[in-house]
Amino acid sequence: DVKVTQSSRYLVKRTGEKVFLECVQDMDHENMFWYRQDPGLGLRLIYFSYDVKMKEKGDIPEGYSVSREKKERFSLILESASTNQTSMYLCASSPPRATDTQYFGPGTRLTVL
Amino acid sequence: AQSVTQLGSHVSVSEGALVLLRCNYSSSVPPYLFWYVQYPNQGLQLLLKYTSAATLVKGINGFEAEFKKSETSFHLTKPSAHMSDAAEYFCAVSDWNNDMRFGAGTRLTVKP
Repeated sequence: DVKVTQSSRYLVKRTGEKVFLECVQDMDHENMFWYRQDPGLGLRLIYFSYDVKMKEKGDIPEGYSVSREKKERFSLILESASTNQTSMYLCASSPPRATDTQYFGPGTRLTVL
Repeated sequence: AQSVTQLGSHVSVSEGALVLLRCNYSSSVPPYLFWYVQYPNQGLQLLLKYTSAATLVKGINGFEAEFKKSETSFHLTKPSAHMSDAAEYFCAVSDWNNDMRFGAGTRLTVKP
């Protein structure tokens, strides 16, 4: 079974803190994704990576950065957390083709106070 | 850019009744279409996908969807709802460039 794990299920941070969300996949997938899930808005892509050290901006990259130093690990960084970044964050991985399924982690619910 | 619209943010059915969750897509190129399900406190998992082969696609847990190009639709159905089907369902469209777009989601409630 494909497994995508995220470092925390729940996280509470204060405004202005630097926040790291970690994602690890065990299936040697080329692609990795970070989404934000908000009620009524579905999933919105923040960043994705199609190879080590490669990244592409998604629809809502402002206030976020990413790092992919190893194929299995994709990190999302909130440089200075703000209350409007309170959300559910989902990581996913997939093989390279557009027809391939994305496999999701369980999510991290981040609250910024 | 492609997009999907899910009609109805909440759908409620009785156990044993037909489940119909609606999804319409917009795409300037032949689309790849997906339905994902999210159970409480879990990530999304694939129910089924259309990738330009058969237009009627069967998925897990008795769900199926039909790709109708003339109606730009990819509605999800299940003949008989079960209590365990209660979840949130997301339709998604992708193109050859791996640019996947999700709908806003439909929360399915199943009444006993």
